[in-house]
Amino acid sequence: EAGVAQSPRYKIIEKRQSVAFWCNPISGHATLYWYQQILGQGPKLLIQFQNNGVVDDSQLPKDRFSAERLKGVDSTLKIQPAKLEDSAVYLCASSREVPDTQYFGPGTRLTVL
Amino acid sequence: EDQVTQSPEALRLQEGESSSLNCSYTVSGLRGLFWYRQDPGKGPEFLFTLYSAGEEKEKERLKATLTKKESFLHITAPKPEDSATYLCAVRSGGSNYKLTFGKGTLLTVNP
Repeated sequence: EAGVAQSPRYKIIEKRQSVAFWCNPISGHATLYWYQQILGQGPKLLIQFQNNGVVDDSQLPKDRFSAERLKGVDSTLKIQPAKLEDSAVYLCASSREVPDTQYFGPGTRLTVL
Repeated sequence: EDQVTQSPEALRLQEGESSSLNCSYTVSGLRGLFWYRQDPGKGPEFLFTLYSAGEEKEKERLKATLTKKESFLHITAPKPEDSATYLCAVRSGGSNYKLTFGKGTLLTVNP
């Protein structure tokens, strides 16, 4: 069974630029999560989708971050404009349902200069 | 608000030297305590889920235990390939069964 796929793996941008990350969950997984992991910290949930509906986006900085999950499969997370403090690893995870074990992708390491 | 505290922040062991990692938590209505392993440059890899006090799970050299306030990850006779960051997370109830992670323990096992 293929795992969670993410791209790109690395991204370097300058502050005030925009960036987008892509995630393809494990086949058949209805729930998709985006996490932010700052160096030395544990992952922090940004947004959770159940199929293509948002379940929780309470910790998403909505003035600059947006996410969508069209057709209940792939998802994209966008940052516009980026700030220095957005430098982190962005992890995507999926699970069959809520609640269920979450399986993580390899992450995208974002560096904002 | 759910909270997870892991200790120590870093642990260095010699190969074969057994030890334990600690995860203390406060949560409103525990719906599972999770242990993940994270290697540098990779996403967290699922290890165990524990649901109730007294429960234990084992996998190779790892054993996880749970009480009402904390969980331990015991590592028996570790090998260098066990070197990684070990993350603990708790899941609370509510509409989304949110996971809250600790900062992790960086384990280094020297040959």
